[in-house]
Amino acid sequence: AQSVTQLGSHVSVSEGALVLLRCNYSSSVPPYLFWYVQYPNQGLQLLLKYTTGATLVKGINGFEAEFKKSETSFHLTKPSAHMSDAAEYFCAVSAVKTSYDKVIFGPGTSLSVIP
Amino acid sequence: SAVISQKPSRDICQRGTSLTIQCQVDSQVTMMFWYRQQPGQSLTLIATANQGSEATYESGFVIDKFPISRPNLTFSTLTVSNMSPEDSSIYLCSVDASTSGRYNEQFFGPGTRLTVL
Repeated sequence: AQSVTQLGSHVSVSEGALVLLRCNYSSSVPPYLFWYVQYPNQGLQLLLKYTTGATLVKGINGFEAEFKKSETSFHLTKPSAHMSDAAEYFCAVSAVKTSYDKVIFGPGTSLSVIP
Repeated sequence: SAVISQKPSRDICQRGTSLTIQCQVDSQVTMMFWYRQQPGQSLTLIATANQGSEATYESGFVIDKFPISRPNLTFSTLTVSNMSPEDSSIYLCSVDASTSGRYNEQFFGPGTRLTVL
């Protein structure tokens, strides 16, 4: 079974500052890992995902995340926050299988960007 | 990528009534999912809907309360029956993107915001 924890339900950063959103997962099998973003009054949009291979994954809008198996982490970063980054961010995990596996979403982190 | 639309986008309903939410996809997909997102919380999977078979419900969700239809590969409906204020949530439809080669990734609709008075 898989699970996801996100440290910090709310994070505030200044415009131009580093964004760091934390995600730790638990999985008994090799995981697929995802970060989704939800802007106000919208559905979720995939930012990036890790499947296999390179552990540093680059996504849209300047975000990236690093898969660290030893730490069971998949933290999301962006070097310089923009006002448009204010949104809810969800980390998610599923199992690597030959067929579809259910995706488990974390509780979410609300990011505020201060001008 | 798949484009997903949901109707209605929002609704305010009286307790004891039912609401049917529609989800339309612009391409054929095998698996469709319905999620509930209660205020300030994460997504909880209600059920998985495959065309031509009964929906598979997650623990805590039952067909009598959340009947689902999946008549073809581009459309699904979720009904919230005999509503109570506790059903006030955002209901999200999503599809498996594996037909696009993006395994286990999902595309999401914009959601339906339901308020039950």
